[in-house]
Amino acid sequence: GAVVSQHPSRVICKSGTSVKIECRSLDFQATTMFWYRQFPKQSLMLMATSNEGSKATYEQGVEKDKFLINHASLTLSTLTVTSAHPEDSSFYICSATKTSGGYYNEQFFGPGTRLTVL
Amino acid sequence: DAKTTQPNSMESNEEEPVHLPCNHSTISGTDYIHWYRQLPSQGPEYVIHGLTSNVNNRMASLAIAEDRKSSTLILHRATLRDAAVYYCILRDVRNQGGKLIFGQGTELSVKP
Repeated sequence: GAVVSQHPSRVICKSGTSVKIECRSLDFQATTMFWYRQFPKQSLMLMATSNEGSKATYEQGVEKDKFLINHASLTLSTLTVTSAHPEDSSFYICSATKTSGGYYNEQFFGPGTRLTVL
Repeated sequence: DAKTTQPNSMESNEEEPVHLPCNHSTISGTDYIHWYRQLPSQGPEYVIHGLTSNVNNRMASLAIAEDRKSSTLILHRATLRDAAVYYCILRDVRNQGGKLIFGQGTELSVKP
């Protein structure tokens, strides 16, 4: 159990367009979902924390108007990269924690979405 | 959350044990030690976590120094599928939001 999926796995878009990435917890309910970005040969950088039914909390330096996060249900969070530019090309990864995890809320990660902006 | 320091890379031979070190000299009493790993082109996966005592699970063992300023992830018999970047992360037990801050990690390569 505890599977997280992402869709699409790979997307190529033109500069100036918006791209939506979905993150789903397939077999559990997720109180909290997280969005990360990873550039080649670098570590994961946390972008934002998303709680079901409330506004996302963005990390310092992450533009909330550019990276729109919606967590409408306990199994789905979406990240929309608005007006994408080549510098937004990256590997976007989501993770989720279970509602019933107690203190130790192990994070379950999705397989990632590779975004290429031309 | 306190910072961790790991070697950038390590090499191992297949079927031999691997000891991945992590220094966390500024660890606080409420910090748990977590290990995640990331295989190439995949999202990270949980490996193990601990607070004070050594921990074992089916994937690995975690040895925690008595003063908690360092820890070691032990893979008992490395396989080619264990080639990954291993991240040692501290998370405060009071951080109920659960966010993880990843450092640079150790890239482990396994030779046949």
